[in-house]
Amino acid sequence: NAGVMQNPRHLVRRRGQEARLRCSPMKGHSHVYWYRQLPEEGLKFMVYLQKENIIDESGMPKERFSAEFPKEGPSILRIQQVVRGDSAAYFCASSPIAPMAGLSYNEQFFGPGTRLTVL
Amino acid sequence: AQSVTQLDSQVPVFEEAPVELRCNYSSSVSVYLFWYVQYPNQGLQLLLKYLSGSTLVKGINGFEAEFNKSQTSFHLRKPSVHISDTAEYFCAAPSGGSYIPTFGRGTSLIVHP
Repeated sequence: NAGVMQNPRHLVRRRGQEARLRCSPMKGHSHVYWYRQLPEEGLKFMVYLQKENIIDESGMPKERFSAEFPKEGPSILRIQQVVRGDSAAYFCASSPIAPMAGLSYNEQFFGPGTRLTVL
Repeated sequence: AQSVTQLDSQVPVFEEAPVELRCNYSSSVSVYLFWYVQYPNQGLQLLLKYLSGSTLVKGINGFEAEFNKSQTSFHLRKPSVHISDTAEYFCAAPSGGSYIPTFGRGTSLIVHP
């Protein structure tokens, strides 16, 4: 059973270009989470999606960032008009069932990440 | 809101020596606590988790952690480290009322031969 897959592993973009990051969850997992890791910082939650639905985007910047998880295919994190401050590692995680706030914790399985460098 | 503090950004240690990586949390409600390991250029892997029950939690690769409610700590320990333990270690806990984990800044464990 393959783990969470992310591609590309490394992405270089010039300022103003678009970055598209892909995440294929583990087989049987229908819940996807995106995190951003800035240098020397922990992971920061960005967005939680189920198939065709955005459940929680409280961590997403208001502009230029968007995410989707279509019925077929991988989840996509899109960053439009990238700036140098977008340079970071972006991690995707998946879980088989929905998390239950305050009652239990549903383990998330992480992909290897995409390292975005904006020149 | 939950916050997680990792007091040491870097911990150098010699091979076969014991190690403790510190984590403190803030919360006035029941907590769930986790330690993740990130090897170079890889994603995070769950080392161990505390949900309830015994305060001493054993994880993979010989690591263990102890939940201490009075000190609001969840320190990670290993009695004898290997070179292969060199990695970044993150403590995490869901924010109050949330299912999304808050991560500490991470501790870089560097094991020297």
